Amino acid sequence: DGGITQSPKYLFRKEGQNVTLSCEQNLNHDAMYWYRQDPGQGLRLIYYSQIVNDFQKGDIAEGYSVSREKKESFPLTVTSAQKNPTAFYLCASRPDRGNYNEQFFGPGTRLTVL
Amino acid sequence: QKEVEQDPGPLSVPEGAIVSLNCTYSNSAFQYFMWYRQYSRKGPELLMYTYSSGNKEDGRFTAQVDKSSKYISLFIRDSQPSDSATYLCAMIGSSNTGKLIFGQGTTLQVKP
Repeated sequence: DGGITQSPKYLFRKEGQNVTLSCEQNLNHDAMYWYRQDPGQGLRLIYYSQIVNDFQKGDIAEGYSVSREKKESFPLTVTSAQKNPTAFYLCASRPDRGNYNEQFFGPGTRLTVL
Repeated sequence: QKEVEQDPGPLSVPEGAIVSLNCTYSNSAFQYFMWYRQYSRKGPELLMYTYSSGNKEDGRFTAQVDKSSKYISLFIRDSQPSDSATYLCAMIGSSNTGKLIFGQGTTLQVKP
């Protein structure tokens, strides 16, 4: 089956720890995105990547880091510098063809800081 | 002021009702408008996708875009309990980065 997978589904972190969220896609999409979702605030863009080995900051990049070493993978690290990391994290991808803008989302990872 | 405003609800309606969900926006450069549906604890899925002004219909769902008023709507006819979800509007200009701007999402409950 083609799609986007995120792991783990639930993640618990102690304060001061870095954690890495996994995002993998087998859709052969060029562009990938990370969003954060908090109640009542919709989705906010953390980082995005349009091509391997290149990525750009979104609106709320502080305290997060990413890498894009392979087309299929776009992991997100939540560092200890992120002051309020408890949220639902969503990864998305998009085929890079013209003005086609549909993004396909993964099932999400719920991160809780203990 | 947020670029995209959406009433978070919650909105509760009886089964069979017509539902109207709305977003307003401030950026006149937006050209592509989308509605995503998100079930609890799941990722969003695309419901409707429209370009510029006008209407688009898909089964029980109709999307409307009024660029002159910077206002978009999603209508759900004959609503079903399975339509209970959060509905997110999203939009983008002509940028090729694919950076969508999302509304806050409206939570809908359809009661049997």
